[in-house]
Amino acid sequence: KNEVEQSPQNLTAQEGEFITINCSYSVGISALHWLQQHPGGGIVSLFMLSSGKKKHGRLIATINIQEKHSSLHITASHPRDSAVYICAVTPSGGTSYGKLTFGQGTILTVHP
Amino acid sequence: DAEITQSPRHKITETGRQVTLACHQTWNHNNMFWYRQDLGHGLRLIHYSYGVQDTNKGEVSDGYSVSRSNTEDLPLTLESAASSQTSVYFCASSGDGDYYEQYFGPGTRLTVT
Repeated sequence: KNEVEQSPQNLTAQEGEFITINCSYSVGISALHWLQQHPGGGIVSLFMLSSGKKKHGRLIATINIQEKHSSLHITASHPRDSAVYICAVTPSGGTSYGKLTFGQGTILTVHP
Repeated sequence: DAEITQSPRHKITETGRQVTLACHQTWNHNNMFWYRQDLGHGLRLIHYSYGVQDTNKGEVSDGYSVSRSNTEDLPLTLESAASSQTSVYFCASSGDGDYYEQYFGPGTRLTVT
C-alpha cells in the first residue's frame, strides 16, 4: 500500500463545476504539498500545508492532521485547470528531512 | 528572477552509454533532489543532496550517481544507460527545513534505445 493515496485517479468535469480531489496518507508528516503538472509541462507547487486551510484564487486546500487527510477544491472550474494534480508529503522524522513522498496523481479534464 | 534549469530537455541515447543530465539553480538552496516520473509509478526519488560535497541515495538509485561540487549544480549521471531508465527526469531544490516548497525544473525526457 502506498504511503500517499489520491482519489479519484481520473476526474472529468464541465466548466463551472466545483471539483474536489482527495489525498490520504498513512505516515506522520511535517507538511503536505499540492502540485500541478500540465500536459507535457513542468511541476509547480500550489500549496504547502501543515494545518488548517489555504486559499489562492479559485483553489482551496484543507488538511485534517488527525484523520491524515487533505482535500484540494477548485471552484468554478475552467478548461485551463485541466492538469495532473499531485499530493505529496514530507514525512516527519530526521531521516526524511526535506524529502517528498508522492501520490500517484489525479488527472483532471475540464470540458468547455 | 531565481530559477532552476535542466539540460538537455530531450535526449536520445543508446544502451550502455554514459549520460549526464544537468541541473542548475539560482535560488541559493542547499537542498537539491533528482526524481524520475513514470506512468504507473508517479514521481520517485533517485538521489538528493543537502549541501556541497553531500549526496544521498533515494529509493531508485541503482545505476545513477550524483556529485555536488557547488551550491548551484547537481548533475545526474547514468553510468551505463539501460532501457529501463527511459523516463522523464525532474530536478528540484528547496530551502532548509521541512516547511519549504520544492521548486522543480522543467524536466528532461530521456529515451534509451
